[in-house]
Amino acid sequence: TQTVSQSDAHVTVFEGDSVELRCNYSYGGSIYLSWYIQHHGRGLQFLLKYYSGNPVVQGVNGFEAEFSKSDSSFHLRKASVHWSDSAVYFCAASPSITGNTRKLIFGLGTTLQVQP
Amino acid sequence: GPKVLQIPSHQIIDMGQMVTLNCDPVSNHLYFYWYKQILGQQMEFLVNFYNGKVMEKSKLFKDQFSVERPDGSYFTLKIQPTALEDSAVYFCASSPVSYEQYFGPGTRLTVL
Repeated sequence: TQTVSQSDAHVTVFEGDSVELRCNYSYGGSIYLSWYIQHHGRGLQFLLKYYSGNPVVQGVNGFEAEFSKSDSSFHLRKASVHWSDSAVYFCAASPSITGNTRKLIFGLGTTLQVQP
Repeated sequence: GPKVLQIPSHQIIDMGQMVTLNCDPVSNHLYFYWYKQILGQQMEFLVNFYNGKVMEKSKLFKDQFSVERPDGSYFTLKIQPTALEDSAVYFCASSPVSYEQYFGPGTRLTVL
């Protein structure tokens, strides 16, 4: 069974701070990883993805994430947050295997609160 | 970016009634999905659909659930009959050949 864990339920930072949201997954093979953002009362918006190649991937609005096979991690980072980054962030994974139906397995989410 | 639309945004029905949730996926996408999110909990996969067929369904996809996409129109999730535990937000998603899924804004279903 594949799982995705986000160790921090809530993260609070000040505007202009850097932030790292943690994501770990359990799966031994090739895996597709992604991050989504969900603003209150709205649907999920895609931020970025990793499948292969450069382990550091860039996303929208200054977000980036780094894949680490040794740590089974895909942490999301931003160098300088803005108040509008306040939202719930979901890490999601999909095992990349033949016959896989591409379902996404989500973590519980991390609520990021950016204070002025 | 590409947009997935969901109709209605809210639906309140009595237990035992039938409900149909509608999704208008991105026009050139090939894969379609439904996810369920109970308030405060994680998003959970229900079912995915490709080439007119269900590819995989989870344990949450009970016998009372069905999906279809007749003639390339809306991708629908039907629940008949509904139960109290079906109250949740249901998200539709679609994806092209790649793995990247685009989500709709969700339909909040309340079963009384």
